[in-house]
Amino acid sequence: EVQLVESGGGLVQPGGSLRLSCAVSGFTFNNFAMDWVRQAPGKGLEWVSLISGSGDSTYYEDSVKGRFTISRDNSKNTVYLQMNSLRAEDTAIYYCAKDMGRLRGSGTYDYWGQGTLVAVSS
Amino acid sequence: QAGLTQPPSLSKDLRQTATITCTGTTYNVGNQGAAWLQHHQGHPPKLLSYRNGNRPSGISERFSASRSGNTASLTITGLQPEDEADYYCSAWDSSLSAPVFGGGTKLSVL
Repeated sequence: EVQLVESGGGLVQPGGSLRLSCAVSGFTFNNFAMDWVRQAPGKGLEWVSLISGSGDSTYYEDSVKGRFTISRDNSKNTVYLQMNSLRAEDTAIYYCAKDMGRLRGSGTYDYWGQGTLVAVSS
Repeated sequence: QAGLTQPPSLSKDLRQTATITCTGTTYNVGNQGAAWLQHHQGHPPKLLSYRNGNRPSGISERFSASRSGNTASLTITGLQPEDEADYYCSAWDSSLSAPVFGGGTKLSVL
């Protein structure tokens, strides 16, 4: 059974940092790209970042470039999202999602975690 | 990044058929097709269809997808109360080297 379990969300002040983790099981982790997708309150799904299966390639949505860093530890079957310089508009539920792409992203996600809430507020 | 275009909302009667459209460009939907997700608030999104019509295991045959040019469509037949949800399309955009999502369509089953 495929499982994705996120952790690390919480309340943080503007300008602060958080590190999200997504522990994965049930498939050959390093064979697939992994993504972070978020949903702000009352808004739709928004792609945030993507890392290839090997970890060699990373991609970011424009508004998070230079502030967020995606990484993965294939020995621990875990993907991370380091979020710095957080802004109120980063407030959202953050989902990790298994990409159906192997070497790179595909825009198609067959498994999702339950999500972790990030709230940026003073 | 520019997204895909979906109608914000759609209302249909129980047991009727709903069709949701997703319009993109030759760099995304027109190139590799679109995937469709169902999202009930408080739960993770669920993949309904990918690459223009392939259904993952366990997804009802009431859900079908197709594509014509730069527009993808999701059709849900025999609408049930549990089909009331938000539906999103997504695709890889080769000009952006990034995925793009539609804004979502809120389906109400009356």
